[in-house]
Amino acid sequence: NAGVMQNPRHLVRRRGQEARLRCSPMKGHSHVYWYRQLPEEGLKFMVYLQKENIIDESGMPKERFSAEFPKEGPSILRIQQVVRGDSAAYFCASSPPWGENTEAFFGQGTRLTVV
Amino acid sequence: KNQVEQSPQSLIILEGKNCTLQCNYTVSPFSNLRWYKQDTGRGPVSLTIMTFSENTKSNGRYTATLDADTKQSSLHITASQLSDSASYICVVSAKQSNAGKSTFGDGTTLTVKP
Repeated sequence: NAGVMQNPRHLVRRRGQEARLRCSPMKGHSHVYWYRQLPEEGLKFMVYLQKENIIDESGMPKERFSAEFPKEGPSILRIQQVVRGDSAAYFCASSPPWGENTEAFFGQGTRLTVV
Repeated sequence: KNQVEQSPQSLIILEGKNCTLQCNYTVSPFSNLRWYKQDTGRGPVSLTIMTFSENTKSNGRYTATLDADTKQSSLHITASQLSDSASYICVVSAKQSNAGKSTFGDGTTLTVKP
């Protein structure tokens, strides 16, 4: 039973390029969450998705960032026209439908470096 | 505003010693509180989940306590090992929220020295 899989683990992009981060949830999980962690800081919520639906994107920057979780395939976090300040670790977590004792399992993250 | 405050920010202890990490929260209405361990360069791993009715929960050498009246939780680590060096994150969820709306603390960085 594979855990949450994120790829790539490391991504280097030049300023102005696009970054695409992928997250495959655990088998049987239909809910995906994306978080950003800046160096020496805590995890910050970005977006919560179910299959084909964005449930909560209150943590997403208004511009350049988008996320999707299609019916088939992994969830994608897309960052257009990356800037130096986008350099961070991006973590994905997945869970079954959320309840009081629901566990959310995290992937190992994608470390984005913008040069 | 929902907040989670963790203390201390960082802690250094000698191998074999015990330590206690603190978490104070103002999340309301309370649903559950989770402690995660995050090794450097890795994703967080769940240690414990506690709901309103639970006061104590153990996972090996890790014991979490919850006082819902004072809105405080602690994570006690017994007989520390070098592999315990990590960031420990307290996460509190409100009722009728989702995991994404959970409030994350900034973590306590624990260093265990030989």
